[in-house]
Amino acid sequence: ETGVTQSPTHLIKTRGQQVTLRCSSQSGHNTVSWYQQALGQGPQFIFQYYREEENGRGNFPPRFSGLQFPNYSSELNVNALELDDSALYLCASSFRSGSYNEQFFGPGTRLTVL
Amino acid sequence: KNEVEQSPQNLTAQEGEFITINCSYSVGISALHWLQQHPGGGIVSLFMLSSGKKKHGRLIATINIQEKHSSLHITASHPRDSAVYICAVTDRSWTGAGNNRKLIWGLGTSLAVNP
Repeated sequence: ETGVTQSPTHLIKTRGQQVTLRCSSQSGHNTVSWYQQALGQGPQFIFQYYREEENGRGNFPPRFSGLQFPNYSSELNVNALELDDSALYLCASSFRSGSYNEQFFGPGTRLTVL
Repeated sequence: KNEVEQSPQNLTAQEGEFITINCSYSVGISALHWLQQHPGGGIVSLFMLSSGKKKHGRLIATINIQEKHSSLHITASHPRDSAVYICAVTDRSWTGAGNNRKLIWGLGTSLAVNP
């Protein structure tokens, strides 16, 4: 049990729609990272938020956006959904401790775009 | 070529066998993770290593920083060990505010342990 939860567990959308995925981090974790894992692939880094600001971004278009809130929750928003957006979306939270932050993963949200 | 390579890609073993999964990486790292992912998706962190060796129950992880190589060993394997095992490294060259770093992931090794 990592203390990181995600909702919903599963979601089905159609092309062109918008989706919001949610992640609730452990109390005190000031950093959250989002990853996309397509079927049969390793997770790909989408972006990271630190203290409510975007802290770095992977190779994802602007229609992928995020928010981080003071209560340690965060959102991943995807606009204009495409079929290729079908994937498992993982969030991972961490807190600065010395020179490294161990990341704690949520169970993921499986998004299917039809 | 991926910055993190794992081998084998797929592995089938009989219950009780000793299993080794290998990970090689080409970037400078500050730490290496071994993670486990069961069908359905949730990821569990098994180990975080920056040097040497760690052991937890039947799992052992080793890392050789000079050779940029790590191994995950499972002793006395059991069908419940069946999962995808993923190696990920913390990219030392990528820094953002707050000293939080990005993970670079291998593609995973799919392990099936038969009774």
